Amino acid sequence: GPKVLQIPSHQIIDMGQMVTLNCDPVSNHLYFYWYKQILGQQMEFLVNFYNGKVMEKSKLFKDQFSVERPDGSYFTLKIQPTALEDSAVYFCASSLDWGGEQYFGPGTRLTVL
Amino acid sequence: GDSVTQTEGQVALSEEDFLTIHCNYSASGYPTLFWYVQYPGEGPQLLFRASRDKEKGSSRGFEATYDKGTTSFHLRKASVQESDSAVYYCALSETEGADRLTFGKGTQLIIQP
Repeated sequence: GPKVLQIPSHQIIDMGQMVTLNCDPVSNHLYFYWYKQILGQQMEFLVNFYNGKVMEKSKLFKDQFSVERPDGSYFTLKIQPTALEDSAVYFCASSLDWGGEQYFGPGTRLTVL
Repeated sequence: GDSVTQTEGQVALSEEDFLTIHCNYSASGYPTLFWYVQYPGEGPQLLFRASRDKEKGSSRGFEATYDKGTTSFHLRKASVQESDSAVYYCALSETEGADRLTFGKGTQLIIQP
């Protein structure tokens, strides 16, 4: 079936540094999502994105977070600066339609030291 | 806010056993309910969904029935196989105005041969 890729699979950085997580969504999909899963907890919605704009965001989507998809390339989540509580697995997803099936990537494990 | 509760963190069974994973939800509106499955090294993938009371979703021998009265969507399979070993997530999405998934914590299913 359709695949979403995430790069890198694991990232370790020092607190206060900037990090960019990359997502290669399904090629014809138009809606993009980020979810965050802290170890032992449920996956939680961060943000969705369509046509160059954030459509919805949760309270977890702090001011230090930003998303973009320049020129149809990777859909990225940038965290600047990072904090210890940002350590988690971040899942990217994409869908063709609003309310359509979301296809998930394998996740990027972010460790902030 | 919306929430999904999966009571079993882990279920261990033998091949050909009957499986039940419990899922209860709390939502202000009339949500769509989902079961996702996640295999090691992969992202969650949709197993099936249901949008209306009494609707049954099914795929690959798994099934669940939307029960608005008991706010439940329990996952069942009559005879599990070793290849069913994975993490199973129950999730919901509000029907109107939002396009985000709310997940349960997940249930690790371990099938012993």
